[in-house]
Amino acid sequence: EPEVTQTPSHQVTQMGQEVILRCVPISNHLYFYWYRQILGQKVEFLVSFYNNEISEKSEIFDDQFSVERPDGSNFTLKIRSTKLEDSAMYFCASSEPGADTQYFGPGTRLTVL
Amino acid sequence: AQRVTQPEKLLSVFKGAPVELKCNYSYSGSPELFWYVQYSRQRLQLLLRHISRESIKGFTADLNKGETSFHLKKPFAQEEDSAMYYCALRGNAGNNRKLIWGLGTSLAVNP
Repeated sequence: EPEVTQTPSHQVTQMGQEVILRCVPISNHLYFYWYRQILGQKVEFLVSFYNNEISEKSEIFDDQFSVERPDGSNFTLKIRSTKLEDSAMYFCASSEPGADTQYFGPGTRLTVL
Repeated sequence: AQRVTQPEKLLSVFKGAPVELKCNYSYSGSPELFWYVQYSRQRLQLLLRHISRESIKGFTADLNKGETSFHLKKPFAQEEDSAMYYCALRGNAGNNRKLIWGLGTSLAVNP
């Protein structure tokens, strides 16, 4: 069964550094999402992406964040200058057009020191 | 405001006992409601959604619009049901496809 994959599984970085989190959505899916979950808190929506553009973003998704689908298979989340409060588990998800089920990757745990 | 509330962080029951995980929501409109489950060391996966009105792994959930609730129930809990359960809401306006999540309830089914 196809699955969403994410790399790396754990990323440790210094405050102020740039990080790129990578996701490979399920191949025939056209909607892509990033969510994050700070330890002990709710899963929060960051951004959705469709047809090569952002379709919706949350207040969290400020100028420090960007998403890209560089090669038709990868879907990346970039944080330009990480802050301590960016430490969280980041989940990528994808869904088929017309379907309401979002399929999740295993997550990337980002630790900002 | 759009919000999902799961009042119990932890629910502990014995095997064979009934279980109910509570979920209440706040949304101005007709949302779609989902239950996602995360077993130990596994990814989030959809358990069930209100529009399909199905029973998955013995779990059911009924959307009660009057009480704005979508409680998850199972008459006889099994040890393999131990997991983290998340209630989530999605609006149905235009291209709004984001999921809004509850805090999650950790279900422990004891032998």
